[in-house]
Amino acid sequence: DIQMTQSPSTLSASVGDRVTITCRASQSISIWLAWYQQRPGKAPKLLIYKASTLGSGVPSRFSGSGSGTEFTLTISSLQPDDFATYYCQQYTSYCTFGPGTKVDIK
Amino acid sequence: EVQLLESGGGLVQPGGSLRLSCAASGFTFNNFAMTWVREAPGKRPEWVSAIGGNGDSTYYADSVKGRFTISRDNSKNILYLQMNSLRAEDTAVYYCAKDGGALRFYFDNWGRGTLVTVSS
Repeated sequence: DIQMTQSPSTLSASVGDRVTITCRASQSISIWLAWYQQRPGKAPKLLIYKASTLGSGVPSRFSGSGSGTEFTLTISSLQPDDFATYYCQQYTSYCTFGPGTKVDIK
Repeated sequence: EVQLLESGGGLVQPGGSLRLSCAASGFTFNNFAMTWVREAPGKRPEWVSAIGGNGDSTYYADSVKGRFTISRDNSKNILYLQMNSLRAEDTAVYYCAKDGGALRFYFDNWGRGTLVTVSS
């Protein structure tokens, strides 16, 4: 099974900050990685797929990069709506989610 | 607009059964694979099961294989999850999700979820 890890587990930031979250896979997954945003009590929302392709309607301040085993999600200028938990997910072998990174207010 | 609406969750005793449904609208249902993902309290999401657009291909996580059955009715645009031999560790919010295509295993639309609680 492919294991996913994320760092940091929690990130404190302010509106306007540039934020970067890292996701690592236990083996190469090429570019078959998605990122989701989840607000409390809500379903996950797709942000990025194929490592760097923006989902429909997702603001351009979100971007993804990486391939193989290391990936990043960047929010260029944090907005109030962005305080949430972010999950990476591999989909080269069925799918597995990472443990999540909670972005909270500093 | 894509809409997915789950139903059928509730409280069930260990060893019991439950059938979840997901009514889909806003897209050509039989053109897309569909999936169930669950999220236990305080845990990361866990993929449960997936089904191809025509219903011929089905896939299960090891944790539910042999106990859960996924199916779909393309004439009614409904996805199902039959859950048997339920265990306490099956307690979670269950989401249905639309696949990004034909069993690509990333999910571009999600329902609001239905809570399943397995407890005596």
